[in-house]
Amino acid sequence: DGGITQSPKYLFRKEGQNVTLSCEQNLNHDAMYWYRQDPGQGLRLIYYSQIVNDFQKGDIAEGYSVSREKKESFPLTVTSAQKNPTAFYLCASSIRDSDYGYTFGSGTRLTVV
Amino acid sequence: GQNIDQPTEMTATEGAIVQINCTYQTSGFNGLFWYQQHAGEAPTFLSYNVLDGLEEKGRFSSFLSRSKGYSYLLLKELQMKDSASYLCAALHFNKFYFGSGTKLNVKP
Repeated sequence: DGGITQSPKYLFRKEGQNVTLSCEQNLNHDAMYWYRQDPGQGLRLIYYSQIVNDFQKGDIAEGYSVSREKKESFPLTVTSAQKNPTAFYLCASSIRDSDYGYTFGSGTRLTVV
Repeated sequence: GQNIDQPTEMTATEGAIVQINCTYQTSGFNGLFWYQQHAGEAPTFLSYNVLDGLEEKGRFSSFLSRSKGYSYLLLKELQMKDSASYLCAALHFNKFYFGSGTKLNVKP
């Protein structure tokens, strides 16, 4: 079955460390997205990519980095520059310019310890 | 953002009907989506409106008025498992903007 897989489900980071969240999809979707979700707030867009080897900053890109070397993969690195990284991170994919919305991964909960 | 507004929390009784409203800015609007999200899980797609009117899918219906920048999600015959957050998402210029979600509490 096709789908979108995020790993790990839970991740703990020490102050000053970089961590990378994995997102893989086998839906043959062109576009992939990273969102951050905090309690009581809507999903906020971090980065998105419409095509391989290209990506754009979303609304809250500071302290994050991404790469899109393969169509199937869109990893997100949370750098030490991100001052408040504790959140629930959701990866999503869609057919480019589609009206059919997103398919979401199951999420990664990142906690700073 | 695109100022997607929806109520923070609602409570309803099992078997009843509940309507969750959502308003958005109309500039560059391409469609309105509703997602259901249980705590700690990924959002799942419920419905989609691009034209004015009502879309019905079983116990769930969604309505859109493009001129008013208004949508609602209607849930009928509420079940306990419907307790979740419901996210309204507006597609503007091919980018999604999400509301903060409405937490629905279904009580026996």
